[in-house]
Amino acid sequence: GEDVEQSLFLSVREGDSSVINCTYTDSSSTYLYWYKQEPGAGLQLLTYIFSNMDMKQDQRLTVLLNKKDKHLSLRIADTQTGDSAIYFCAENPGGGADGLTFGKGTHLIIQP
Amino acid sequence: KAGVTQTPRYLIKTRGQQVTLSCSPISGHRSVSWYQQTPGQGLQFLFEYFSETQRNKGNFPGRFSGRQFSNSRSEMNVSTLELGDSALYLCASSRGGSSYNEQFFGPGTRLTVL
Repeated sequence: GEDVEQSLFLSVREGDSSVINCTYTDSSSTYLYWYKQEPGAGLQLLTYIFSNMDMKQDQRLTVLLNKKDKHLSLRIADTQTGDSAIYFCAENPGGGADGLTFGKGTHLIIQP
Repeated sequence: KAGVTQTPRYLIKTRGQQVTLSCSPISGHRSVSWYQQTPGQGLQFLFEYFSETQRNKGNFPGRFSGRQFSNSRSEMNVSTLELGDSALYLCASSRGGSSYNEQFFGPGTRLTVL
């Protein structure tokens, strides 16, 4: 069945780069997404990548997509304390109007 | 532009009761999706409505139902509540259609079943 896998925790020092990894299963997913969730809040879309792209950069965020290995990563440059949150990778199976399939989320912990 | 709003934000019910949650999408958005978030199962897709029609449904029992009104506002209903229904219920709206549609999430309704 469809499954999106992420590691549960990542700890980085403030100022370093954070790299959050994700593997997905549905090769027909048209878009792949990264969402951020802060405590007590809903989900905030950080960025997305179209499946025919390899890389997308948006300010401090860089998304890399390896479609062959179905691997997606999110790099956050110069990680700040405000980046502390849970990061979810998501795919849209079937590429259409289906609901998103989310990973379990990666807790990003920032060390001073 | 106002974001997605969900009411109520918090709800406490007892087993066997039923509950109705409401979601108002962003103005102009015609698609509303519902998700359940629990610590154990993570985020799971419940269903999606577009122009008052359920367009897709996840793997949840029939106790979970929803509807969408002509103004795109949506409600979801859970009947005969079970303890395992305790969760954060998130609603997301998008313009709809078959091409890329960014989903904007509301803050969620925290349901506790006692």
